[in-house]
Amino acid sequence: IVLTQSPEFLAVSLGERATINCKSSQSVLFRSNNKNYLAWYQQKPGQPPKLLIYWASTRASGVPDRFSGSGSGTDFTLSISSLQAEDVAVYYCHQYYDTPQVFGQGTKLQIK
Amino acid sequence: QVQLQQWGAGLLKPSETLSLTCAVSGGSLVGYNWSWMRQRPGKGLEWIGHIYYSRDADYNPSLQSRVFISVDTSKNHFSLNLTSVTAADTAIYYCARDTITHALDVWGQGTTVTVSS
Repeated sequence: IVLTQSPEFLAVSLGERATINCKSSQSVLFRSNNKNYLAWYQQKPGQPPKLLIYWASTRASGVPDRFSGSGSGTDFTLSISSLQAEDVAVYYCHQYYDTPQVFGQGTKLQIK
Repeated sequence: QVQLQQWGAGLLKPSETLSLTCAVSGGSLVGYNWSWMRQRPGKGLEWIGHIYYSRDADYNPSLQSRVFISVDTSKNHFSLNLTSVTAADTAIYYCARDTITHALDVWGQGTTVTVSS
């Protein structure tokens, strides 16, 4: 499976919406439970990645509700509804449907 | 609250073996997969492999001939060995809890490994 993220770089004004896309070369939807095995992570400089979203749309514990995930099958989106300064980071999608697990190449999000 | 603390040698010479350990605190190894990832300088994340506490490990085919992941339930830790390292193995290595329900939900702090003669 190959995950392709877009865009590679994204600049958004504070308070505006940021949208990152992730396209999988094959479906990550497990039909027996109707779950998409797709996660999103945030990584800030010098820190390990932090889980934001799992099963494509479920927020991890403690993640602000301005972060949301959507999509199914092969096309997924991470949205930040109102960008805050602390959201500057690199964002990665990740499929855990099959091995080898794969990450997207990352999207660097900055303030415009 | 589960936490992961990792350690290992940070400077290796070409052809040596990379060895890292990740200790689990605040919880048990039992019932989960445990993964290793790496991040080369300025690059994205690469999954190396994972191990279930009671089964054989699964590895990334790109590293399969050189990698070995093991688990020690008595010490509540798991380990990564990567043989015959080269400069291309220079990276930050991360351990993580790997759950089928919550993806990679807990991460170690990362260990910087440099391979240089």
